[in-house]
Amino acid sequence: DIQMTQSPSSLSASVGDRVTITCRASQGISNFLAWFQQKPGKAPKSLIYAASSLQSGVPSKFSGSGSGTDFTLTISSLQPEDFATYYCQQYNSYPRTFGQGTKVEIK
Amino acid sequence: EVQLVESGGGLVQPGGALRLSCAASGFTFSTYSMNWVRQAPGKGLEWVSYISSSSSTIYYADSVKGRFTISRDNAKNSLYLQMNSLRDEDTAVYYCARSSGPFDDWGQGTLVTVSS
Repeated sequence: DIQMTQSPSSLSASVGDRVTITCRASQGISNFLAWFQQKPGKAPKSLIYAASSLQSGVPSKFSGSGSGTDFTLTISSLQPEDFATYYCQQYNSYPRTFGQGTKVEIK
Repeated sequence: EVQLVESGGGLVQPGGALRLSCAASGFTFSTYSMNWVRQAPGKGLEWVSYISSSSSTIYYADSVKGRFTISRDNAKNSLYLQMNSLRDEDTAVYYCARSSGPFDDWGQGTLVTVSS
């Protein structure tokens, strides 16, 4: 199974900050990497697929990059609605696996 | 608008069974693969099972293999998860998710609690 490791597990940031979350796969997954946002009590929401492609309706302040084993999610200017937990997921092979999540909290 | 609505969750004793359903609308259900994903209280996301559009290909996580069965009825636009021999560690919110490779859309989830 492919292990997905996110860092950091949590971070505190202020409104307007630029935030970067890292995801590392235990083996190469090309660009078969997605990012999700989850708010408390809500279902995950798809943000990015194919490592860097924005889902329809997702604001351009979100961006993704990477290929192979190392990936990043960047939020260019953090807004109050962006405080949430973010997960990466590989869809290169089954079983599909998620990172452990990164909780973005208000400083 | 894509809608996925799960139902069938509830409280069940260890060793018991439950059948979850996911009603799909707003897209051509029969052309999409579907998945079940779960989230234990306070924990991260865990993929559970996959079924292809025609039901020809099915996968399970090792943690549920032999106990859970995924199925679908394309005529009813519905996805199912039959869960048998339930354990305490199966307690979670269960989400259905549409996939075209990546997971595009998710339902709101249904809570399954396994407890005596």
